[in-house]
Amino acid sequence: ILNVEQSPQSLHVQEGDSTNFTCSFPSSNFYALHWYRWETAKSPKALFVMTLNGDEKKKGRISATLNTKEGYSYLYIKGSQPEDSATYLCAYAGGTSYGKLTFGQGTILTVHP
Amino acid sequence: DTGVSQDPRHKITKRGQNVTFRCDPISEHNRLYWYRQTLGQGPEFLTYFQNEAQLEKSRLLSDRFSAERPKGSFSTLEIQRTEQGDSAMYLCASSLPLGEQYFGPGTRLTVT
Repeated sequence: ILNVEQSPQSLHVQEGDSTNFTCSFPSSNFYALHWYRWETAKSPKALFVMTLNGDEKKKGRISATLNTKEGYSYLYIKGSQPEDSATYLCAYAGGTSYGKLTFGQGTILTVHP
Repeated sequence: DTGVSQDPRHKITKRGQNVTFRCDPISEHNRLYWYRQTLGQGPEFLTYFQNEAQLEKSRLLSDRFSAERPKGSFSTLEIQRTEQGDSAMYLCASSLPLGEQYFGPGTRLTVT
């Protein structure tokens, strides 16, 4: 059984705060780590796909880092805005099957104006 | 719109009834995935296809669940003799081999 864990489960921040979430995953047989943002009543949307140890990716105010040797990834949001409110999911690809994704339980972010 | 579509978006059914959901992937994607998400959990893998071949099926998928992708394009997921524990969001995604998975909006199933 592959364990992908995310913390915290939920987070409330004020507009303008910076925040970060953690995703831990198996470090063996790693292929890729995906970050998704899932807003209510919409489809989950990919933020990043990360494959190399030490990878750092950035899209606007959101960035992510990857450590495959110790099995963790961080997602950072700088200067949170109310429109950043969503569930952030990480998903691991690897193990014995590179096709499917194994998701963490998600971090629910609420940004208060 | 050329994204992944799912139909219906919501389904309410009585326990014991059969239900069928449809997923239309992005047209050039030959991989199609089904996931299920329950409250407080992340999406959980059910099965996936490459073209019309079902390549992997979760051990969590009981015999009441069956998925097909007859022509390698759209897919259907059928649940027979629904139970209250089947209430969940059923998500479909598509991709190129080992590529990014693009998700549909999901079908929310409520079994009463």
